[in-house]
Amino acid sequence: DARVTQTPRHKVTEMGQEVTMRCQPILGHNTVFWYRQTMMQGLELLAYFRNRAPLDDSGMPKDRFSAEMPDATLATLKIQPSEPRDSAVYFCASGLAMTGVGRNEQFFGPGTRLTVL
Amino acid sequence: GESVGLHLPTLSVQEGDNSIINCAYSNSASDYFIWYKQESGKGPQFIIDIRSNMDKRQGQRVTVLLNKTVKHLSLQIAATQPGDSAVYFCAENYGGGSNYKLTFGKGTLLTVNP
Repeated sequence: DARVTQTPRHKVTEMGQEVTMRCQPILGHNTVFWYRQTMMQGLELLAYFRNRAPLDDSGMPKDRFSAEMPDATLATLKIQPSEPRDSAVYFCASGLAMTGVGRNEQFFGPGTRLTVL
Repeated sequence: GESVGLHLPTLSVQEGDNSIINCAYSNSASDYFIWYKQESGKGPQFIIDIRSNMDKRQGQRVTVLLNKTVKHLSLQIAATQPGDSAVYFCAENYGGGSNYKLTFGKGTLLTVNP
């Protein structure tokens, strides 16, 4: 049963610390998305990749957030330094995007619940 | 202190009843739509999708209706069960081609009473 996995599932840290969240997309998927979910803003897209190349990171605060795909099986989202307002659930999703086909199903991981004190 | 957050639309139904969840989307150029279900503590889960060249699509116990004239999407759940209790999101994709982003709505909380 193919699934998106995320680690850690929960993270509590202090303001100013670096936080790294990891995601393993479903094998064979060529798009990876990072979302943030809060009660205030709902589900927000932070960044996404196709074939490991960043396509759009306009939703991500550039001064402290960075997203990378070191290889096809790993996506990372880093926050440095973290702030209390970064507290949220961060979801990774992957999909198989095919050019010219208007289908874009995304499969979500279980999320990382981040608390910054 | 007062808690400020998203005021999700809510729908409360009795077990066995049919549920209808509505969504107004924003972009008339959107050509692909998905309904997701999110249970507490979990990530959103795909339910059903529809392309803009269709106005209805049926799945197992679920039907999605699309009205492009008024930019409205609905999800109908037949014989609602307690396990259907969750937040339901509609999402839209526009630009086709090389645009793979989904824009999510704010969600509707469905509560099924036994």
